[in-house]
Order: sequence, then structure tokens, then C-alpha cells
Amino acid sequence: AQSVAQPEDQVNVAEGNPLTVKCTYSVSGNPYLFWYVQYPNRGLQFLLKYITGDNLVKGSYGFEAEFNKSQTSFHLKKPSALVSDSALYFCAVRDRAAGNKLTFGGGTRVLVKP
Amino acid sequence: DAGVIQSPRHEVTEMGQEVTLRCKPISGHDYLFWYRQTMMRGLELLIYFNNNVPIDDSGMPEDRFSAKMPNASFSTLKIQPSEPRDSAVYFCASSRQGTNNEKLFFGSGTQLSVL
Repeated sequence: AQSVAQPEDQVNVAEGNPLTVKCTYSVSGNPYLFWYVQYPNRGLQFLLKYITGDNLVKGSYGFEAEFNKSQTSFHLKKPSALVSDSALYFCAVRDRAAGNKLTFGGGTRVLVKP
Repeated sequence: DAGVIQSPRHEVTEMGQEVTLRCKPISGHDYLFWYRQTMMRGLELLIYFNNNVPIDDSGMPEDRFSAKMPNASFSTLKIQPSEPRDSAVYFCASSRQGTNNEKLFFGSGTQLSVL
């Protein structure tokens, strides 16, 4: 079975400060890993993904994430947060050998204060 | 491209009534997913289709829920009879198989309230 944990329900950060949203995963095989963002009253939007290769993945809106196999983590980061980054962020995982089923974490609400 | 289109955006119904949610995936996408989002349970995969065929419906909560995909451009999720605990936001998403098939495109969701 595959699972994702996002240990923080909410992250508060001041505008201009670095932002980190944590994610750990569990799969039996090799993972595909993703981050999605959800703004109020909208569907989820793709931010970035790790499939293979470089452990540091760069995505939309200045976000990046680092795949750490030994720690089974895929934390989302942004060097300088904007107020407009305030949203709900979801980490997701798919076991490459388990069909096309994507499992999402519980989500982390990010609040960036001016 | 208009993206994934879901209807209705909001649905308010009474317990016991039949509810039908609709989804039009992005043209050319061969995977379609139905998710349910609640505060308590987060985002749950209900069922997904590949080339109009249901592949995994293990997330469908019970027999009151059913989903169909009669063609590549349309899918429905039906709840009959509906119950208050079905109140949630239901999302449809689609993707295309290939090296970038991991990128899901979500619709704006249907907010369902069962009174």
C-alpha cells in the first residue's frame, strides 16, 4: 500500500521568508512524487513532480522540492514566500508498480502574512 | 482548451434523493478520476477509468455510489439514495498516458450538500 503524510496542518510564514512544507511517503517500490496546490473554491493545480534523475525538482511559481530516498521525504520549498502563495498544498505519491492510482496527503494550509 | 468541466458547481438536495454529478475531461485524455474532498477525510480517490473502462473502484464507499463513462468525453457519478454524510466537494480529474501522464488536470469541483 502507498501512503503520504503531511505532518503540519498549517504553516505560517512572513512574506519574503523561506517557506517549507513537509511531506513523507511510503511505497513498496519506486515512487513518483508530486505537489499540487489548491486555491479557494478551485480544483487542484499541478506544481511539480519527481519521476527520476536529479533529486532537486523545480516547478511552477518558484517552488522546488527535494527527493530524499533515505528519509522517504519530498519537502516543498520556496526561497521567498509571497502573500499570493497562501493556499492549500497537497503532496501525492504513486507506486510505479501499482497502476495509475495517485494517493494524496491530508494537505497543509500555508498562510503568508504581509 | 477549456480544461476539465464539471457540473453542477453546487448541488443542494434532500436526503434520499438521487444526485448525478457530471464531468467532461480534456479532449485526448485517456484517464479520468473521481475524487471526494472533506475536512475529515481529505482527498479520497473514488474510482478511475482508462479508455472509458473502470480500472479501480475500491474507493467507492458503498453501493449507493456508481460511476459510468459511456464515452471518452463524458462521465457521471451517481449517488442513490443520497445521505447527509455524502456532503463533500467532488472533483473530476483527467490525464493523458505517456511520459507526462502523471500530471492530473482537475475540474473546479461540485459542492454537494445533502440536507
